Amino acid sequence: DAGVTQSPTHLIKTRGQQVTLRCSPKSGHDTVSWYQQALGQGPQFIFQYYEEEERQRGNFPDRFSGHQYPNYSSELNVNALLLGDSALYLCASSWGRTGSSYEQYFGPGTRLTVT
Amino acid sequence: GDSVTQMEGPVTLSEEAFLTINCTYTATGYPSLFWYVQYPGEGLQLLLKATKADDKGSNKGFEATYRKETTSFHLEKGSVQVSDSAVYFCALRLSGGSNYKLTFGKGTLLTVNP
Repeated sequence: DAGVTQSPTHLIKTRGQQVTLRCSPKSGHDTVSWYQQALGQGPQFIFQYYEEEERQRGNFPDRFSGHQYPNYSSELNVNALLLGDSALYLCASSWGRTGSSYEQYFGPGTRLTVT
Repeated sequence: GDSVTQMEGPVTLSEEAFLTINCTYTATGYPSLFWYVQYPGEGLQLLLKATKADDKGSNKGFEATYRKETTSFHLEKGSVQVSDSAVYFCALRLSGGSNYKLTFGKGTLLTVNP
């Protein structure tokens, strides 16, 4: 049973560029969340996609956008990169129905470095 | 807003020592509480959870009890192993139909020496 996969593993970009990160959810999951984890900090929620729509968003600027495909995979796009966007980007998948058993399963992350 | 506060790290212990990592929370609603563990170079793994007051979550020898009166969810283990060395994150998720995000603490680095 494949877990959450993310690509690429590492990425180096220059300020002002755009980047796309990809995520495939765990088998049987239909919901994808994205988090940003700065060095030495806990993950910060960016947004969550369910049924191909963004259904909750954290405190991130519009430069951060996403997409979910019919097969539930997802992309995170960041435009006009800033040095402060350097971080580990984590994707988490879950089953879309909320409830007491709601759990999010995380991928290994994509390490983005902006120079 | 909602927040999670963890004890400052790093925490360094000898093998077989007792572990406590403190976690307290502030929430406008009634949250579910989680402990996640992150091993070097890996993503986060769910360690244990509790969804209502006085619930005890447990897994792999780790335990945490949801204390509503003290808004706490402290992680404990009676005898740590070298393999427990990792970063531990406390997190919450508010209950309710439109709350899906996890709010994390800053993490506590645990190093266990042989």
